[in-house]
Amino acid sequence: DTAVSQTPKYLVTQMGNDKSIKCEQNLGHDTMYWYKQDSKKFLKIMFSYNNKELIINETVPNRFSPKSPDKAHLNLHINSLELGDSAVYFCASSPLGQENEKLFFGSGTQLSVL
Amino acid sequence: TQLLEQSPQFLSIQEGENLTVYCNSSSVFSSLQWYRQEPGEGPVLLVTVVTGGEVKKLKRLTFQFGDARKDSSLHITAAQPGDTGLYLCAGVGNYGQNFVFGPGTRLSVLP
Repeated sequence: DTAVSQTPKYLVTQMGNDKSIKCEQNLGHDTMYWYKQDSKKFLKIMFSYNNKELIINETVPNRFSPKSPDKAHLNLHINSLELGDSAVYFCASSPLGQENEKLFFGSGTQLSVL
Repeated sequence: TQLLEQSPQFLSIQEGENLTVYCNSSSVFSSLQWYRQEPGEGPVLLVTVVTGGEVKKLKRLTFQFGDARKDSSLHITAAQPGDTGLYLCAGVGNYGQNFVFGPGTRLSVLP
């Protein structure tokens, strides 16, 4: 019973393609996130959604479009993939309004753009 | 922009040794968290420190939050190979939604 699950685990694709990564959490959390971890392991927030509404949108190319059909799902669609998009993408969730907020991460999607 | 720095960047030690890693910022956070990430997995929360000067212990791991709530340290006693991983600190903003991560310390404990 995985808490935060994302698919696929690995994604290899050509430059210029469009791809999606799916994320689901069964924790009942209100907030979900997408993080990007580069080759130096630096973890940087991309988007945050609270109850299907966008609340954080860092400086991310508009080729990246998150979609939240309900509060348990936050998918990431990437158009016109570029070499620099190669990284590990992590989905995460957190309960909102509780003390000591903590992030629960998925196991990551390793994206390789050739 | 709130930035977190971690040191050292890499640390390789022998089993049984003690070590300390540091997390520093020029900003004040409402709380600070430490995560451990193993290869092929997402980070997993180890501890949250909230009060300036707070010390928390988790078995052989001791976490301290600086008095000014801008820095933190993680001390591991008698390191074991199972402690190997990437240790990330994260500063939490006032609304609990803004997590800022440091670049991490990659620890390798050799048997």
